[in-house]
Amino acid sequence: GQNIDQPTEMTATEGAIVQINCTYQTSGFNGLFWYQQHAGEAPTFLSYNVLDGLEEKGRFSSFLSRSKGYSYLLLKELQMKDSASYLCAVIGAAGNKLTFGGGTRVLVKP
Amino acid sequence: EAQVTQNPRYLITVTGKKLTVTCSQNMNHEYMSWYRQDPGLGLRQIYYSMNVEVTDKGDVPEGYKVSRKEKRNFPLILESPSPNQTSLYFCASSTDFSGGGGYTFGSGTRLTVV
Repeated sequence: GQNIDQPTEMTATEGAIVQINCTYQTSGFNGLFWYQQHAGEAPTFLSYNVLDGLEEKGRFSSFLSRSKGYSYLLLKELQMKDSASYLCAVIGAAGNKLTFGGGTRVLVKP
Repeated sequence: EAQVTQNPRYLITVTGKKLTVTCSQNMNHEYMSWYRQDPGLGLRQIYYSMNVEVTDKGDVPEGYKVSRKEKRNFPLILESPSPNQTSLYFCASSTDFSGGGGYTFGSGTRLTVV
C-alpha cells in the first residue's frame, strides 16, 4: 500500500521561508509531485522529482531523497498569495497511479 | 486553451437519484482519473483510465462507475447516490507520468446528496 505523511498546517510570515516535509512509504516509486491548491479550487502542478536532489523553480524548490522516503518543498520570499494547501503525491510501482498525501495548509501572515 | 472541463460545478441531489458528472479534456491525454476530496482525508482516487476502454479501480471505487468510450471523455456515474458521497470531485488527465507530466485538474464538482 501507499502511506504519505505531511504536516497538517504551518504558519509563516510574509517574506520568510517555509519548508514543508513529506515522508512516504510506497510499494515502488516512480516519482514525486508537489501541487498547490487554493481553497475551493483545483490543484495546480508545482514540481516533479524522480532522482535524488534539489529542483529549483523560481521561489519554489523541491528536494527528494529516495533512500529516506523523504521530500520537502521550500517556499522562499513568501507572499500573501502563497497561502494555500500544498499536496505531496507519489507515483508507485505501477507507474500510472498517483496517490496524494493529506495536504499541508500554509497560512502566510503580514 | 488546453483544459479539463467538468460539469456541473455544483449539484444538489436526493438519495437514490442517478446522476452523471461529465469530464472532457482537449489535450489528447491517455490517462484520466477521478478523485474525491474530503476535509482531513485529502484527495482519494476513485477510478482511473489508461486509455480508451481501459479502466481500473482506485482506492475508493464503491458506489461509482466510469466509462471511457472516447479518449477525451471520462464520465463519473453515481447509480444510487447516498449522503456519504457528498464531496468535492475532481477529474484529471495526463499524457504520461514518467517524464514529469503531472495531472491537469478540472475545476471541480461540489456534490451534495440529501
